[in-house]
Amino acid sequence: DTAVSQTPKYLVTQMGNDKSIKCEQNLGHDTMYWYKQDSKKFLKIMFSYNNKELIINETVPNRFSPKSPDKAHLNLHINSLELGDSAVYFCASSPKYNSPLHFGNGTRLTVT
Amino acid sequence: RKEVEQDPGPFNVPEGATVAFNCTYSNSASQSFFWYRQDCRKEPKLLMSVYSSGNEDGRFTAQLNRASQYISLLIRDSKLSDSATYLCVVVSGGSYIPTFGRGTSLIVHP
Repeated sequence: DTAVSQTPKYLVTQMGNDKSIKCEQNLGHDTMYWYKQDSKKFLKIMFSYNNKELIINETVPNRFSPKSPDKAHLNLHINSLELGDSAVYFCASSPKYNSPLHFGNGTRLTVT
Repeated sequence: RKEVEQDPGPFNVPEGATVAFNCTYSNSASQSFFWYRQDCRKEPKLLMSVYSSGNEDGRFTAQLNRASQYISLLIRDSKLSDSATYLCVVVSGGSYIPTFGRGTSLIVHP
């Protein structure tokens, strides 16, 4: 009965590869997010999405793209992976904007 | 000035101590405020929301000062299990994006 689930938990891959991280929430929330937590532990917003609007952090490279097949899913696709993409990626959801976030348990991405 | 700023610490306190963290925010249109707790290698978890009138949950008290644009978290009677990173989150009225501070590390020792 996990509320927000991400897969995989660990992802090790080589530079230049393309990978995806999946996120699903069973809370019936309208809004989902992707955050990146770097080695300095700073959580930075990457994308915010509800079923009508995608808000992109303009500092995110366009190699990163969110894909939402339905309201309960927000997957993250990353093309041409770089060493600097190594981080922990957290998916989160909330009932609406202004509400607390519920986080998945994170995906630790290592690019070699 | 960063959108959300916190003293990274670490705050190193003995069990039973009272400790307080502050978090300042730059956007006066900010609407919602939260404190999260993050344990090492885990996801952030909601500790408490912060309301204009201040609110308390057991040993934890959160306050908001809109005039000075900061929120605070007070932990009384610290326990070893309180050791974690405490993250301040601010949601601005314009973007509605939850913005995190860098976190304040708390270490409670015996």
